Parts: sequence; C-alpha cells; structure tokens
Amino acid sequence: DTGVSQDPRHKITKRGQNVTFRCDPISEHNRLYWYRQTLGQGPEFLTYFQNEAQLEKSRLLSDRFSAERPKGSFSTLEIQRTEQGDSAMYLCASVESGIEETQYFGPGTRLLVL
Amino acid sequence: GENVEQHPSTLSVQEGDSAVIKCTYSDSASNYFPWYKQELGKRPQLIIDIRSNVGEKKDQRIAVTLNKTAKHFSLHITETQPEDSAVYFCAASSSWTGANNLFFGTGTRLTVIP
Repeated sequence: DTGVSQDPRHKITKRGQNVTFRCDPISEHNRLYWYRQTLGQGPEFLTYFQNEAQLEKSRLLSDRFSAERPKGSFSTLEIQRTEQGDSAMYLCASVESGIEETQYFGPGTRLLVL
Repeated sequence: GENVEQHPSTLSVQEGDSAVIKCTYSDSASNYFPWYKQELGKRPQLIIDIRSNVGEKKDQRIAVTLNKTAKHFSLHITETQPEDSAVYFCAASSSWTGANNLFFGTGTRLTVIP
C-alpha cells in the first residue's frame, strides 16, 4: 500500500496521560498536514510541514500539542496531559508540492480519552 | 480565516435520482475547492475538485460547479447508487497563503435508498 499510513489506528488513554501518533506520508510528498475531526464535523487544520519545517500552526494547537517531522518523511503528533476534549479522530494528509494540490488522507488515529 | 458552510446536513434520495450538495465560502482569495467522500470509519477520499479558473468540471456521474462571484460551489451526483451513500465534505483553500490548508464544511450525510 503506497498511501498515507497512520499508527496506531485506535488509542484509548486515561486523562492526564501522554499519547503519540505517527504518520507516514506518501513517498516524496514534501508537504504534510495534521487535522482533527470530531464526530459530525469536518476535519479542522492543526499544523503543516514543508519537508522538516513546521511552517504553520492553528490556534487549535494548544501548548500541550507538539508535532515533529525530523527527517522530512514521517511525522509524529504528541499530546501531553490529555483531556477528554482531545477525544477525536486525528488525520494526516500529504501533498506533492508543485504538481496538484490534492491532499491524500491517511486512515486516521481515533483517540478516546477516559 | 475562511468559513465554509455546507447544506443540507442530511440528504436522502431514491436510487437513480440526482443529489445536489451546496457550499458557500467567505474568503475571496480561496481558489481550490475539493470534495471528499468519507465512508463510516474510513479516510476522506477525494472524488472531484475544481480550481477557480474553471466554472464546471465533470467526471462520469459526478460534477462540480463554481460561482466565484457568489462564492458558492455545488456537487451534483446523477444516477445515484447505494454505494454513493456516505458523508460528503466540501472544502476550500487558498494557494496565496503558505499553508494551503483545507477549510472543510460540516458534511452532508447522503443516503441512497434502493
């Protein structure tokens, strides 16, 4: 499968714990996005990488959230001190710059904070 | 920032009938408008997109129209089939900003009744 992959697919954690999600974009896609999707809503932008540089962060991304893309390939999203309001589907998307603007989404990581 | 509104939130049609979903956007700088289909528990998948230099685009049973002056765009599905049942999201983005992130509507749950 050469599409965007995410791991884990599901995560259940207790409030106050830290969680980390991983996204592997399509090979050679240099732009990578994180979105959050709550039930009944469309995805909301969290942050964006151009290669390894994090170029933009949404106001939704509180200081408990941090994202990295150390080698310009895979990316991680960490949530510290999770809260029940963090429960959502976290989606990753990648884009091949300069060609089309199509964002290809991964299957998402569904987080449930108890 | 951009605000995308989508209507209706739910839509039921008989198999073979047409379905129309409408979206409006607020930022006149937006110039890329994709439509995603999301089946339950699965990733959003691009079904069609349109750029602001085009007024209409068609791909088999699916078509999208764009009215830049009125800032609205619509998805048309003809000869609907049960497998078209899903949640459909419209989105908008602007290549004039660095991130090109997508702003999504709240989704339309389409049910095609056999």
